[in-house]
This record gives sequence, C-alpha cells and structure tokens, in this order.
Amino acid sequence: QKEVEQNSGPLSVPEGAIASLNCTYSDRGSQSFFWYRQYSGKSPELIMFIYSNGDKEDGRFTAQLNKASQYVSLLIRDSQPSDSATYLCAVNRDTGGFKTIFGAGTRLFVKA
Amino acid sequence: DTGVSQDPRHKITKRGQNVTFRCDPISEHNRLYWYRQTLGQGPEFLTYFQNEAQLEKSRLLSDRFSAERPKGSFSTLEIQRTEQGDSAMYLCASSLVGLGHQETQYFGPGTRLLVL
Repeated sequence: QKEVEQNSGPLSVPEGAIASLNCTYSDRGSQSFFWYRQYSGKSPELIMFIYSNGDKEDGRFTAQLNKASQYVSLLIRDSQPSDSATYLCAVNRDTGGFKTIFGAGTRLFVKA
Repeated sequence: DTGVSQDPRHKITKRGQNVTFRCDPISEHNRLYWYRQTLGQGPEFLTYFQNEAQLEKSRLLSDRFSAERPKGSFSTLEIQRTEQGDSAMYLCASSLVGLGHQETQYFGPGTRLLVL
C-alpha cells in the first residue's frame, strides 16, 4: 500500500462544474496536509494546506480533512480551463525523521 | 526575495559524468529539501537540511549522491558517475519551521537532468 494514494485520472469536468479530487493516507501520525498544483513541465505550486478536521475554504478551493477516515479532498468550484493540471496531495508526518510524502497526483482536465 | 531559485534549469550530460545543481532558498527559511520527480510520479524525497545540518537522507539516495548546505543558506546536490536512470527533474523546496509556524514547503523551478 502506498503511503499517499490518489486516483491518477484523468478527471475530466466541464467548465463551470465542481471538480472533486481525493487522497487517502496510511500513517495515522500525519498531522498536516497539502494540495499542490503542477502544470506540465513546471514545479509544484502550493494551493492549500489544512491541519484540522473539517473544511477550509480559499476562494474557489475547499480542502476537506477527515483524520478518522485518513482522507483529504480538494474541491474546485467553477472550474476553469486554466485549472487543468496535475494536483498533488502531500502529507507531513511530525513524528521525527522524514516528514513529507507526496501522492502521484491526479490529472484534471477542464473542458471549455 | 522572489522565491526559491535553482541553477541550472536544464542539464544534459553523458553517462559517467558528474553534475552539480544549486538551490537558493527563500532567504529566511531554515529548512531545505531536495526531491526527485519522474514522469507521472509525485516528488520523491531525497534529503533535507535544517540550517546547515543534513538531518535525513532517503534510502533512494545512493552513495553517488551528495548534498551540502555549508552556511545554512544555498545548497548543492552532486551526482557522481551519472546513470541514465538519474534522468529526472530535481526539485528543491524550502520552508520555515519553528514556534508558531506550521511547515509549508515552497518549491523552486527545478533542474531537469537528462543523462545520455
């Protein structure tokens, strides 16, 4: 089992729709969670971070965390073609030693 | 300060040659990470520094790889006797950790290495 799992996609949504991206993690000691966006050939760009159970909203983005289910998601409202990218879920373990594990990413296509 | 910078952005080398990459973190950041990313995968951790101390190295990091951060500012990653399997994007990230700070890593543009 991978430590951080994401559906590789591609996930295709029409412009204006809600895109829902999911991530599960295996280490219950994980404490902080991040979503990065990565355009083809570019480096990851931080979109959101979340530390507490529940929802966190920032503009068109909402991150949701459920530590009991070891699940974190990202919702993108009013999806735009410019949102087409790979979305990486990252998990920090604060138990000492190496901290950040990335998922393989979900490719999102927003169709105009 | 405009963020994390990396040099060079692209490197093509022949198998068996040595290469060195440089990363300049965001100036006040005390932690610096190196990652490797191949097509279709997320970044894989290689090593990280807290100030000038190298705190952890991945098992992925063979003895051909070495990293330094001599003054707690910029860092270098050297790959000796490169192999074709070393072809990847090498990413550097920095963060600020300490009281009241939840760690958030910011990435540089990466160095794309191609070993022929």
